[in-house]
Amino acid sequence: ETGVTQTPRHLVMGMTNKKSLKCEQHLGHNAMYWYKQSAKKPLELMFVYNFKEQTENNSVPSRFSPECPNSSHLFLHLHTLQPEDSALYLCASSHDRESSYNEQFFGPGTRLTVL
Amino acid sequence: GNSVTQMEGPVTLSEEAFLTINCTYTATGYPSLFWYVQYPGEGLQLLLKATKADDKGSNKGFEATYRKETTSFHLEKGSVQVSDSAVYFCALKGNTGFQKLVFGTGTRLLVSP
Repeated sequence: ETGVTQTPRHLVMGMTNKKSLKCEQHLGHNAMYWYKQSAKKPLELMFVYNFKEQTENNSVPSRFSPECPNSSHLFLHLHTLQPEDSALYLCASSHDRESSYNEQFFGPGTRLTVL
Repeated sequence: GNSVTQMEGPVTLSEEAFLTINCTYTATGYPSLFWYVQYPGEGLQLLLKATKADDKGSNKGFEATYRKETTSFHLEKGSVQVSDSAVYFCALKGNTGFQKLVFGTGTRLLVSP
């Protein structure tokens, strides 16, 4: 248990569906991250929020829409996804985004399958 | 830009064998280096880290030494257990301003009894 929870753990959706992934951290951190983990590829950073403000968007397609209503919660809204978007989506948090020593704590991930 | 290269897996060992997973990096300046572990069905957990040259990170019997001269951060354990079966990720983070964590592709370790 890392203090970062993600729901749902598994999600199957069609290309025309709209769904949301939820992440919650109980660590009092100020920075939150979304990563995409695909088979045989390095983890890809998607978005970074620092003190509820989006500070990084790593050229992510607009069919992925993040939302950070407060420092403890992070959402990833999904719409009109493609089969190649099937992956494990990981949420992480850290004290803040700046220090190179900051450990990032990861949630268990949501396994997404797009049909 | 910054990058991490780690050995392809899977690495298959018998219990109590010696483990080495190689990791080399390319970076400007003096990044911090990390090993993360991902057990089946779980997210990544920090295993150990080192923040400057010649530092040795250690945890749960695993060790890695920050070698600036060879730009390496190899993971070692003297005697692996079945419970060490997981995917291991080497990563680095630059130390000026915001720098994202850059991960390797991961190395799967399988330990048999």
